[in-house]
Amino acid sequence: NAGVTQTPKFQVLKTGQSMTLQCAQDMNHNSMYWYRQDPGMGLRLIYYSASEGTTDKGEVPNGYNVSRLNKREFSLRLESAAPSQTSVYFCASSETSRGRETQYFGPGTRLLVL
Amino acid sequence: SQQGEEDPQALSIQEGENATMNCSYKTSINNLQWYRQNSGRGLVHLILIRSNEREKHSGRLRVTLDTSKKSSSLLITASRAADTASYFCATGGMNYGGSQGNLIFGKGTKLSVKP
Repeated sequence: NAGVTQTPKFQVLKTGQSMTLQCAQDMNHNSMYWYRQDPGMGLRLIYYSASEGTTDKGEVPNGYNVSRLNKREFSLRLESAAPSQTSVYFCASSETSRGRETQYFGPGTRLLVL
Repeated sequence: SQQGEEDPQALSIQEGENATMNCSYKTSINNLQWYRQNSGRGLVHLILIRSNEREKHSGRLRVTLDTSKKSSSLLITASRAADTASYFCATGGMNYGGSQGNLIFGKGTKLSVKP
């Protein structure tokens, strides 16, 4: 099992460009998450999907959109990238979204917005 | 908003010594989890302790939870250079605002174990 995979691993964008970060899990988990990690800030939840067909905002959703394509895949889209979105992005999954189970993380995508 | 806060922010020890990291949180929880993050990698789950448990062991890891003080500690015994990583606590299971009980992570403790 690959667990949680993310693409790309690294991306450089210019301000105003758009891109989609891809995430897939092969553990048949119901819930998936997108976090961003900034130095000294820990992980902050951007969006999550409690189950296939549902998405909800987390702590820092502004400037992002998400799509739960199917049970396996959860994508994060930046429509018009800004330097403030320079960060490391992590996708995670868990059996449910009740915060009572282990979350499994992908390796991360490092995004630099110039 | 941060729920858990780790202390210290950074810790440097010699191989073989014990490392203790603390986590304090603000509101009621169902469980508290500890994760490790090696440099440039994703987080890896270490251990979960439920609110009705006081202590839990896993190999060289020992976690305690004091719900009256809203605090937890992670002890790594006989540390190794390979334990060098950042360690995060995460609280979960209650409804934090609109996040439906998702995990909320602290800012982490950076542990350096010198050979």
